[in-house]
Amino acid sequence: EIVLTQSPATLSLSPGERATLSCRASQSVSSHLGWYQQKPGQAPRLLIYDASTRPTGIPARFSGSGSGTDFTLTISSLEPEDFAVYYCQQGSNWPLTFGRGTKVEIK
Amino acid sequence: EALLLDSGGGLVQPGGSLRLSCDTSGFDFRNNAMSWVRQAPGKGLEWVSGIGGDGFTHYADSVKGRFTISRDISKNTLYLQMTSLRVEDTAIYYCAKDILWWTFDSWGQGTLVTVSS
Repeated sequence: EIVLTQSPATLSLSPGERATLSCRASQSVSSHLGWYQQKPGQAPRLLIYDASTRPTGIPARFSGSGSGTDFTLTISSLEPEDFAVYYCQQGSNWPLTFGRGTKVEIK
Repeated sequence: EALLLDSGGGLVQPGGSLRLSCDTSGFDFRNNAMSWVRQAPGKGLEWVSGIGGDGFTHYADSVKGRFTISRDISKNTLYLQMTSLRVEDTAIYYCAKDILWWTFDSWGQGTLVTVSS
């Protein structure tokens, strides 16, 4: 099973600041990685797929990079609605796996 | 726009069974991969099972042999038959639609399964 390690566990930032979230895979997942945002009481929302592609409707302040084992989600300038939990997920090998999440909280 | 509506959750005793449904619309269900993902209270996301557009199925080790994923193409509906339920299966269960390489661009609202005596 591929283990995804997300860091940091918690990120304390102010609105307008840049957020950098990391996801490291225990073995290569090529570019088959997605990033999700989840707010309390809501289903996850896909932000990035194929490591760097934004689905229609996702703001440009969200960007993804990386391939192989090291991936990054960047939020260029935090908006109030961006404070949430973020998960990475690999679709390269069975079983599919998620990271444990990074909580982005208001400083 | 893809729409997914989960249902079928509830309270069940350990060892019991339950069938979840996910009614879908707005996309080519026949040729789209689908999955079930769960989230235990206060915990992270856990992939449970998936079915490809070709009908091939996949399971997490934690549910293999107890859960069965299936679909009715005529009804655009995804199912998860759960048997031999355990306390640790307690979670919100989401159905999710694949966009590419088993990442999920549309999700149901979730249905809560509680396994307790």
